[in-house]
Amino acid sequence: QVQLVESGGGVVPPGGSLRLSCVASGISFSFLGMHWVRQAPGRGLEWVAFMGFDGSYGEHYADAMRGRFTVSRDKSTNTLYLEMSSLKPDDTAVYYCAIFAAPEDFWGQGVLVTVSS
Amino acid sequence: QLTQSPSSLSASVGDRVTVTCRASQGIVGALAWYQQKPGKPPKLLIYDASTLQSGVPSRFGGSGSGTDFTLTISSLQPEDFATYYCQQFHSYPQVTFGGGTKVEIK
Repeated sequence: QVQLVESGGGVVPPGGSLRLSCVASGISFSFLGMHWVRQAPGRGLEWVAFMGFDGSYGEHYADAMRGRFTVSRDKSTNTLYLEMSSLKPDDTAVYYCAIFAAPEDFWGQGVLVTVSS
Repeated sequence: QLTQSPSSLSASVGDRVTVTCRASQGIVGALAWYQQKPGKPPKLLIYDASTLQSGVPSRFGGSGSGTDFTLTISSLQPEDFATYYCQQFHSYPQVTFGGGTKVEIK
């Protein structure tokens, strides 16, 4: 059974940095890759970034995050990372890691990032 | 870009509910529908515009192709009060979500 568990959230001041982790277990390497999706308080879902499991799909970012956010992966521990820098109050959100491979579809429980002084 | 309407609606148990999702350009049938309840991650209901995810009640249905899509709940149940999102994966791996439709109790 696939399980995705995020960690690393917390409170960070504007302009600060934070690294989120997502440990994946039970995943199939037939999946193309993993995504980060965020949801600001009381708002909708916003796609953040993607990292492919092999070189075919590479890394992709939403325009608002490109240049500030970086995805990476540790294959040995099945961990996906989201390195966030130059954080703004608008980046305050619950961040989910997810796999979209319909009919298979997996989400973590999410981790809260609060950007505030 | 995906535009969902309405952004919210009030309905009673037993009502037929329809949510629409319009894509700014054609996405063939590369659309999914999710249900989200407070404090929980989204749950996949329908993919490929009209294919019901395993375990999802048959009162949920999806239709459409190209730019216009519809999620229908044929007879609203108490557990269906939630927020619904469409998602396009035509430009995968870059996916996009609609703004959401909150279904509330009348």
